[in-house]
Amino acid sequence: LAKTTQPISMDSYEGQEVNITCSHNNIATNDYITWYQQFPSQGPRFIIQGYKTKVTNEVASLFIPADRKSSTLSLPRVSLSDTAVYYCLAAGGGADGLTFGKGTHLIIQP
Amino acid sequence: GAVVSQHPSRVICKSGTSVKIECRSLDFQATTMFWYRQFPKKSLMLMATSNEGSKATYEQGVEKDKFLINHASLTLSTLTVTSAHPEDSSFYICSARGGAQDEAFFGQGTRLTVV
Repeated sequence: LAKTTQPISMDSYEGQEVNITCSHNNIATNDYITWYQQFPSQGPRFIIQGYKTKVTNEVASLFIPADRKSSTLSLPRVSLSDTAVYYCLAAGGGADGLTFGKGTHLIIQP
Repeated sequence: GAVVSQHPSRVICKSGTSVKIECRSLDFQATTMFWYRQFPKKSLMLMATSNEGSKATYEQGVEKDKFLINHASLTLSTLTVTSAHPEDSSFYICSARGGAQDEAFFGQGTRLTVV
């Protein structure tokens, strides 16, 4: 399981695009990069997962450069309800539990 | 996406009693489930891996006699906090892998308060 590093906190405003970058210098060949969102007193919610290049779904985009040593979660046009903690994980699939870092506390203001 | 259901969402118990938390995978089979613990304003900490039909694997520092895990079927794992004490008060979260990308899905969490 590769260690990940992300900013502890970020602030933005409604309607803005927010980019959260995560570094995972020791990512293994079989590791995927996955982002989760967690609200207070709730379990983490899967946002997006990718291996390389760009992945997009209905809520976010994930950009992964060729060296895969970092990744950027992009949230388009955020709203107040996007205030949450966002976790970046780099891990392989299968029978291993996930090791969570400290996450990024994103605060969206009006 | 796949759904993992956890019950109860919150429980208050007296010191010395035991509490059971259930984790179910509702629309997929999970041979492996995971149990996490989270303290306020802290990240999730993996406690143990629950294996269907066999003994759970505990992370270093987690007391297996305190946190009993049973994974009797492919859709149900239970965590029993035995002889609970106030320091066991925490947010407990279960997880199972599934879906097209084998991503991890998490339950809603259980807020345990021991008084």
